[in-house]
Amino acid sequence: GQQLNQSPQSMFIQEGEDVSMNCTSSSIFNTWLWYKQDPGEGPVLLIALYKAGELTSNGRLTAQFGITRKDSFLNISASIPSDVGIYFCAGQGYNNNDMRFGAGTRLTVKP
Amino acid sequence: GEEVAQTPKHLVRGEGQKAKLYCAPIKGHSYVFWYQQVLKNEFKFLISFQNENVFDETGMPKERFSAKCLPNSPCSLEIQATKLEDSAVYFCASSKGFDYGYTFGSGTRLTVV
Repeated sequence: GQQLNQSPQSMFIQEGEDVSMNCTSSSIFNTWLWYKQDPGEGPVLLIALYKAGELTSNGRLTAQFGITRKDSFLNISASIPSDVGIYFCAGQGYNNNDMRFGAGTRLTVKP
Repeated sequence: GEEVAQTPKHLVRGEGQKAKLYCAPIKGHSYVFWYQQVLKNEFKFLISFQNENVFDETGMPKERFSAKCLPNSPCSLEIQATKLEDSAVYFCASSKGFDYGYTFGSGTRLTVV
């Protein structure tokens, strides 16, 4: 089952607003990743974080790897309609290659 | 190619029938993963391969599920005697290794009726 707690479950925002979502875990992860899934498609990697404390940006997206290695957040600035979708956090542990996913945050952007 | 190719896109099976799903990973990626995504969007890890060797199969329901990655062939996930609860979207992903994110295919939607 899920080992990551992702919140919020869903968000309804106005175009142009900023968005923030986060993930926490009781386990330490070696790598945190954020994916976006559009309907009928597989998840697409947005940002990967490899070091505790790391803050990484990709255009309007910013994500941070928590110092404790047990949490991460994703911010989206100045949202646009194409940001609509489901955002998943994912964590990879030490010495294993499988990834665990959060339950997703469904984002709706109203024009 | 630069995408993970999954076939078929949709598969409908009667309860008790066999289902076989295919995945062609990105060339040069030595790791392949299978995930099951059910109604509430939850991703359940099934199995991973390093080349043709099973790396981790802790998520596989072993009684009816099996998977292979043979050289020069697409990887496959087979479900014998499907049950209604096997209805889900099955995603395959590939990766270069531990320190890389995964690239996902667009999934196979299995409906068991």
